[in-house]
Amino acid sequence: GQQVMQIPQYQHVQEGEDFTTYCNSSTTLSNIQWYKQRPGGHPVFLIQLVKSGEVKKQKRLTFQFGEAKKNSSLHITATQTTDVGTYFCAAHSGGSNYKLTFGKGTLLTVNP
Amino acid sequence: DAGVTQSPTHLIKTRGQHVTLRCSPISGHKSVSWYQQVLGQGPQFIFQYYEKEERGRGNFPDRFSARQFPNYSSELNVNALLLGDSALYLCASSTITGGSWEQFFGPGTRLTVL
Repeated sequence: GQQVMQIPQYQHVQEGEDFTTYCNSSTTLSNIQWYKQRPGGHPVFLIQLVKSGEVKKQKRLTFQFGEAKKNSSLHITATQTTDVGTYFCAAHSGGSNYKLTFGKGTLLTVNP
Repeated sequence: DAGVTQSPTHLIKTRGQHVTLRCSPISGHKSVSWYQQVLGQGPQFIFQYYEKEERGRGNFPDRFSARQFPNYSSELNVNALLLGDSALYLCASSTITGGSWEQFFGPGTRLTVL
C-alpha cells in the first residue's frame, strides 16, 4: 500500500531557530495535507496542497509541494515555544479511494 | 459551532471483550473517518463513510467494523480485543466538497486493553 515517509522523527531547536520537516512518497499524490498535534491533543488541519510546485504561506509557516507531486515540506521561520508539537503530513492518492495516509510525524521541541 | 464529539473519552477493557466507540460529526459534514493512533505514530486509517456507505477501508482485521447512521453519526466496533488494540481512536469529519479534503478531528477515545 501507499507509504509516506517523513523526516526527521525528532527535532529540538532553540527558540528563534528555523525548522523544516520533509515528506516523501514513492507514488504521485493527488494532494497532501499538513496537520499539527499538540502533546495530549488531536491533529489539527494546517493546510492542503494540490498543485505541482505549489507554495503556500501562513505567517511563519511555508508549505511546498514538489514538482512531481511526490514530496512536500513544511518550514517554520523563527520558531516560538507555541510551535511545539508533532507535525504530520497526510497524503491522498486520489480517485474514489478516500483513504488518507499519514506520515509518522516530526516531533518539534523548542527550548526557550 | 460544536466540533466533532466522541464518546467515551477513556475506556478500559480486557482481552476478548467487545467495544463500541461513538462519533458525532460537525453539523453539515456527511463524511466520517476513523483512525487508530498508537503512541509515537501517525494516525492509521481504519474506515471512511460517506452518506452512510463505506468508501474506504484500511489494513485492519475483520474484528473492526463500523457504520454510519442517517444523522451521519458513526460507531466503530472492535470485537475480541487484543492488547495491541490499545490506542487513541480518532474520528474525523469532513465535507469532501469543492476539492477540500480537510479532516476535522475529534478529541479521541483512549482505549486501554488489559
